Amino acid sequence: EADIYQTPRYLVIGTGKKITLECSQTMGHDKMYWYQQDPGMELHLIHYSYGVNSTEKGDLSSESTVSRIRTEHFPLTLESARPSHTSQYLCASSTGQVRETQYFGPGTRLLVL
Amino acid sequence: DQQVKQNSPSLSVQEGRISILNCDYTNSMFDYFLWYKKYPAEGPTFLISISSIKDKNEDGRFTVFLNKSAKHLSLHIVPSQPGDSAVYFCAASSTGRGSEKLVFGKGMKLTVNP
Repeated sequence: EADIYQTPRYLVIGTGKKITLECSQTMGHDKMYWYQQDPGMELHLIHYSYGVNSTEKGDLSSESTVSRIRTEHFPLTLESARPSHTSQYLCASSTGQVRETQYFGPGTRLLVL
Repeated sequence: DQQVKQNSPSLSVQEGRISILNCDYTNSMFDYFLWYKKYPAEGPTFLISISSIKDKNEDGRFTVFLNKSAKHLSLHIVPSQPGDSAVYFCAASSTGRGSEKLVFGKGMKLTVNP
């Protein structure tokens, strides 16, 4: 099972602030993902990465950006937070093999006032 | 348009009985299906998966059945335990380019009463 960590777990912040959500995994997985989930709704893929220096946009349009400078680290940044960004953000990773299972971190609950 | 549907938002069962969670999909290109369990304030945890070349996969108390012609899969939990109380997500993917993308349903909240 993958060890994948997210910080902070909870964040309350004012409109206009820049925030970075951290995600790290210790399994050496090549693929990493960011999902956004609102209560009672499905998880939506917003970003993914095949490996170092690779980033792709997911199915759900997002104003956030990501970077992948190291295999284990996949941070997500919002340059100017707005109330519409209030959501839960879930990071996941996988080995990259066909039929791979994605393993999730505990998530970050973001509230923008 | 939702490609993976979990039409029942919740299910309540008695401890020791069977829990049956259903999932329907519309995209015929999906060929790999997964179930995740999610507790409040935690990330989803992988439970069980099934490839489209099979119609059943079993792991302990958990069995997933796949009916490709009906584009339907179900998760059976027998016997149900209070610790199974969580939100269960069905997810699907297809092989080839884009196979890394999992499409999720909205989830179903299972409550197992002691």
